[in-house]
Amino acid sequence: NAGVTQTPKFRILKIGQSMTLQCTQDMNHNYMYWYRQDPGMGLKLIYYSVGAGITDKGEVPNGYNVSRSTTEDFPLRLELAAPSQTSVYFCASSYSRQGTGELFFGEGSRLTVL
Amino acid sequence: QQQVKQSPQSLIVQKGGISIINCAYENTAFDYFPWYQQFPGKGPALLIAIRPDVSEKKEGRFTISFNKSAKQFSLHIMDSQPGDSATYFCAPGSTDKLIFGTGTRLQVFP
Repeated sequence: NAGVTQTPKFRILKIGQSMTLQCTQDMNHNYMYWYRQDPGMGLKLIYYSVGAGITDKGEVPNGYNVSRSTTEDFPLRLELAAPSQTSVYFCASSYSRQGTGELFFGEGSRLTVL
Repeated sequence: QQQVKQSPQSLIVQKGGISIINCAYENTAFDYFPWYQQFPGKGPALLIAIRPDVSEKKEGRFTISFNKSAKQFSLHIMDSQPGDSATYFCAPGSTDKLIFGTGTRLQVFP
């Protein structure tokens, strides 16, 4: 009954540090996504994956990287953190392609870059 | 044709009242029109969605009204309850494209 699990829930980084946000899903979904949510801005797509070994850029990919070695896991890597990356990050998965069916979201990871 | 406009930004409703949130889009290729509900500290969750072959869909107290010619769809919450207090996002899309609105914060007071 876990769904989409994200870790960590909170993290403070210094400028220039790197980190990885973890995301795992147990619904056997092929499609996975990373979004960022900024106040008053809705959700913006960072990267997405249509299956293991396949990833593609979304609307705001600069400063991030992803990998998809298994169906279950879709980590998001932040290299050289900048204050502009302060945000809440959401991982999501779906059975069908985005724009055609339900997205299942994790509870989010709140990142602050100082 | 990426723009999605959601209104109002915030909404205060008395318990038992009707809450109405609107979403306007530009891309005529969109064929999937969902509303997501987000509680503080949680991720968004699908509330209700409609396809363009119908003009209205009702699930309990929640109704989507869809106007294809005006490129608008709206969420109606009947008999609004304090437990409905959340942020609501429209997210129209088509295959491999989903554009989230900026959100409407709904507060329902007893």
